[in-house]
Amino acid sequence: KAGVTQTPRYLIKTRGQQVTLSCSPISGHRSVSWYQQTPGQGLQFLFEYFSETQRNKGNFPGRFSGRQFSNSRSEMNVSTLELGDSALYLCASSLEGQANYGYTFGSGTRLTVV
Amino acid sequence: GQSLEQPSEVTAVEGAIVQINCTYQTSGFYGLSWYQQHDGGAPTFLSYNALDGLEETGRFSSFLSRSDSYGYLLLQELQMKDSASYFCAVSSGSARQLTFGSGTQLTVLP
Repeated sequence: KAGVTQTPRYLIKTRGQQVTLSCSPISGHRSVSWYQQTPGQGLQFLFEYFSETQRNKGNFPGRFSGRQFSNSRSEMNVSTLELGDSALYLCASSLEGQANYGYTFGSGTRLTVV
Repeated sequence: GQSLEQPSEVTAVEGAIVQINCTYQTSGFYGLSWYQQHDGGAPTFLSYNALDGLEETGRFSSFLSRSDSYGYLLLQELQMKDSASYFCAVSSGSARQLTFGSGTQLTVLP
């Protein structure tokens, strides 16, 4: 079966711009979680969407937002980009959002803010 | 809030056994997961422990002690391809959200 697809793979943006990242989960998976990964910081949880509803949110400013469509595809948006937003953004899909069967991660979108 | 502690780096030689420890503080604990991530790659799921004890999957085993808020990942018969970052993650809270540690960089030497 197809894995988790994230587009684009790489992005370079200028401070102050906004960006939208896309994630297509595994077919049948209804939960999509987003994580920010920076060197030495591990994976920081952004938010989780389940059946088009935001079910959980991490400790990130309101500039970070997301949504999920009826086909479970998800997008995250970052407005007014800052240099510190440069990171690898990973999305993970799971059947119901529970950890016991594992999350399947996409390869990520590497965002560079200049 | 939640916090997880794991060593930042571990080095071992090919064929050896290595243990990566993880201690956590959280409320509403459900389980402890382990993920492997190679440089430039996506994290991949290795194991999940909800109950105390050892779970074995091939060369990898994972252990959990809920009373000690402690777990470890045991890698046996190390191979060069095992060089990667390993993350422990707790599932907790009403939404069972997965929170990751900062990762342990494992280097396997020939």
